[in-house]
Amino acid sequence: AIQMTQYPSSLSASVGDRVTFTCRASQGIRSDLAWYQQKPGRAPQLLIYAASKLQSGVPSRFSGSGSATYFTLTISSLQPEDFATYYCLQDHNFPWTFGQGTRVEMK
Amino acid sequence: QLRLQESGPGLVKPSETLSLSCAVSGGSVSRNNFPWAWMRQPPGKGPEWIGAFLYDGNTVYTPSLQSRVAISVDTSKNHLSLKLRSVTAADTAVYYCACHPASLLDSWGQGVLVTVSS
Repeated sequence: AIQMTQYPSSLSASVGDRVTFTCRASQGIRSDLAWYQQKPGRAPQLLIYAASKLQSGVPSRFSGSGSATYFTLTISSLQPEDFATYYCLQDHNFPWTFGQGTRVEMK
Repeated sequence: QLRLQESGPGLVKPSETLSLSCAVSGGSVSRNNFPWAWMRQPPGKGPEWIGAFLYDGNTVYTPSLQSRVAISVDTSKNHLSLKLRSVTAADTAVYYCACHPASLLDSWGQGVLVTVSS
C-alpha cells in the first residue's frame, strides 16, 4: 500500500497567518490526492481534490499544489474556523490511504 | 443533494460481527458511476479507508481487513452495508460511509461510533 506522510504533525499559528503543510507519497500518485479538514466530532470535509481543485463551497483561501510524491495545502490567511486537523488521502491505487494528519492550533 | 446516514449497534461484543447500514437519500445506490466506500476512525487517530463497492459491481478492501470484511449494496432498500467479522477492541471506531470520496461528488455520512467490548 502507498504510504502517505504528513508534516508537521502539528503547528501553532495565528489568525491571518499564511500556513502551508505537506503530504508525501511513498510512490508517485500523479495528482490523485485529496485534502480533508476535520473538526472534533465531525466527519472529514473535502477541501481539495485532484491535488489542486477546490471543492465547491470551499473558501478560496485554501489551495493545493503538487504532483507525483510531493503535495502541499496552503491557507493564505488563517481564519478562526480553520483551526482543525487536516488529512491527505491518495486515491491513486487501492487501498486508498490517508496521511496521519496535521493539527493546526491557535498560537 | 445526496445524504448518507449510518446506523447500527453502538456496542458489539468481541468475536462477534459488526453490521452497519448506510441509508442513502437524494440519490440511488443503483447508479453505476458512483463508488461507495466505508471509512473508520479510531478514537484519537486518523481515518482509515476500509473498502469500496465500485461502479462495476466489484468490491475492494484494505488488505489488513480483507479476510473479515464485506461491503454490499441493497438497491431495494437504497442502502450500503458493512459487515466486519470477528471484531476485537482494535475495531472500536467511528465508522463513516461515503459516496465518490475525493471527488467533486464527495459526500459522507455523519458517522456512527461502534465500541467493541464485553
